[in-house]
Amino acid sequence: AQTVTQSQPEMSVQEAETVTLSCTYDTSESNYYLFWYKQPPSRQMILVIRQEAYKQQNATENRFSVNFQKAAKSFSLKISDSQLGDTAMYFCAFMKRLGADGLTFGKGTHLIIQP
Amino acid sequence: GAGVSQSPSNKVTEKGKDVELRCDPISGHTALYWYRQSLGQGLEFLIYFQGNSAPDKSGLPSDRFSAERTGGSVSTLTIQRTQQEDSAVYLCASRSPGQGSYEQYFGPGTRLTVT
Repeated sequence: AQTVTQSQPEMSVQEAETVTLSCTYDTSESNYYLFWYKQPPSRQMILVIRQEAYKQQNATENRFSVNFQKAAKSFSLKISDSQLGDTAMYFCAFMKRLGADGLTFGKGTHLIIQP
Repeated sequence: GAGVSQSPSNKVTEKGKDVELRCDPISGHTALYWYRQSLGQGLEFLIYFQGNSAPDKSGLPSDRFSAERTGGSVSTLTIQRTQQEDSAVYLCASRSPGQGSYEQYFGPGTRLTVT
């Protein structure tokens, strides 16, 4: 079974700062998929960024980027130029096979962006 | 276009009663997932449907939980003889068919409170 660990229950930074959220996972699979989801108070889960394990290049989406270290089983999310609208719960998630399994989520990090 | 919709948005029920939660996936999405989000357990995968295939029920927490998907579209999650530990937000997600289609699109969830 896969496990996903997010060691930071809560983080708080000032607007415009850069923040990094940590995620580690445990799996015996060689190919898999990793995701960061954002959940604002509205409860709507929104995909922020994804990474395929077979790709060495780190994924980026505008202000969001990841540091994927396959050997270390680490998948951190960096948010640059943080904005008030980034305030939310962030969940790291693992998927063993494309579409054939549900997502395994970490416990989440509550990110607060201070004005 | 319309996203994933879930009904009701909130449900309060008495212990021992049965409840039905509904999920309308995005049109054309063949994969459908149910998750449970609770304070104690975090986000848990419950069940996965792919088209008209038999569902993967491996994540259902007990035999009081069941789910069906009619005509490959709408799904209902039924909880019989509800217990207080069933109180949680139940999230539904759908995913489009096709290779390279990773993203699960989530609905807003149903908050279930068992009194």
